[in-house]
Amino acid sequence: ETGVTQSPTHLIKTRGQQVTLRCSSQSGHNTVSWYQQALGQGPQFIFQYYREEENGRGNFPPRFSGLQFPNYSSELNVNALELDDSALYLCASSWGTSGEQYFGPGTRLTVT
Amino acid sequence: QQQVKQSPQSLIVQKGGIPIINCAYENTAFDYFPWYQQFPGKGPALLIAIRPDVSEKKEGRFTISFNKSAKQFSLHIMDSQPGDSATYFCAASIKQNAGNMLTFGGGTRLMVKP
Repeated sequence: ETGVTQSPTHLIKTRGQQVTLRCSSQSGHNTVSWYQQALGQGPQFIFQYYREEENGRGNFPPRFSGLQFPNYSSELNVNALELDDSALYLCASSWGTSGEQYFGPGTRLTVT
Repeated sequence: QQQVKQSPQSLIVQKGGIPIINCAYENTAFDYFPWYQQFPGKGPALLIAIRPDVSEKKEGRFTISFNKSAKQFSLHIMDSQPGDSATYFCAASIKQNAGNMLTFGGGTRLMVKP
């Protein structure tokens, strides 16, 4: 059984650019959630994908968007990057409504 | 109403001590309460979790106490070790269509001194 993997590990972007982060879910899981964790804070829910459809969204603007693929892997896209987007982006996978979410190691995004 | 409040922000105990981390919530629709452990540079790791129909759950040295009427829950770490030094997050989950959405507390940075 493989765990949740994310790529890239680190990323540096300039304000106004666009970025795509990738996540492979744990085998057997069909749901992927994305979270943003600012330094020294708890993760904040961005959105969740279940069977390739957005299943819920937190308080994030539309420039945060995502995709889930038939193999349940997922992408997070952020357009028009702002300095405040600098954070650790975490992907978590789960099975339906089980509640147990398992996190990947995260992607550290720095916007300059 | 979606907030989860966690205290203390930081905690220092001696090896063998029993650190206690507390969380409180408002939304009675929350139905699953996990605790996560996070080491620097790593993603959060699921430690232990409880559902509101249970008042206590133990797994190894970790115990969750849950008080449904007070809308509070806490994590106790028995016989704490220096390797337990990490940031701990409580969370609460609410069903959302086909999945669950986690709301996290602000975290507690625990240091266990040898």
